[in-house]
Amino acid sequence: SQQGEEDPQALSIQEGENATMNCSYKTSINNLQWYRQNSGRGLVHLILIRSNEREKHSGRLRVTLDTSKKSSSLLITASRAADTASYFCATRSGYALNFGKGTSLLVTP
Amino acid sequence: NAGVTQTPKFQVLKTGQSMTLQCAQDMNHNSMYWYRQDPGMGLRLIYYSASEGTTDKGEVPNGYNVSRLNKREFSLRLESAAPSQTSVYFCASSESGLSGAGNTIYFGEGSWLTVV
Repeated sequence: SQQGEEDPQALSIQEGENATMNCSYKTSINNLQWYRQNSGRGLVHLILIRSNEREKHSGRLRVTLDTSKKSSSLLITASRAADTASYFCATRSGYALNFGKGTSLLVTP
Repeated sequence: NAGVTQTPKFQVLKTGQSMTLQCAQDMNHNSMYWYRQDPGMGLRLIYYSASEGTTDKGEVPNGYNVSRLNKREFSLRLESAAPSQTSVYFCASSESGLSGAGNTIYFGEGSWLTVV
């Protein structure tokens, strides 16, 4: 079953604005990952945050993790049209990753 | 560096036909996976192979079989295709199944399968 659920399902913003998407999960985790999927392409790993970390940065990406609330957020600052994609959180269950249904982000010029 | 390569890219099958999706990775990864992606459903795990010589069922294994041919290759077979198997199929791999950096999964570009 799918462990993570992203919110919102869809998000539309203008270039230069920040985009925030959230992920909630159900069981204890060792780490949580975020992936991006451009239309018609495979998923690409963005960032991994471990359960003992509260915040992590990578370029314009900022990820937070609140294990007490079983939630994570992905913030993309100063969005660009090229950030238009679907974003998925993923948590590990045994040997495999479980993905949520994703947030579809549209960044308009 | 090719990463994860899967073939074919597109395929149309008639109900009842069989076919095999091929996948190969050149990163010397131990674990490989097959996911399907349907609109509104996200990605669902079909089968995975934690290491060469082992395979295990994922969330939606019915109607599929897999073969871990060697460390590089992991194929997915539809024995008797059904319209419900119309989907986009992704092969993926990771260094290991459990810890640290081995958690990161690398995906192929997808195979679009339509069963009519």
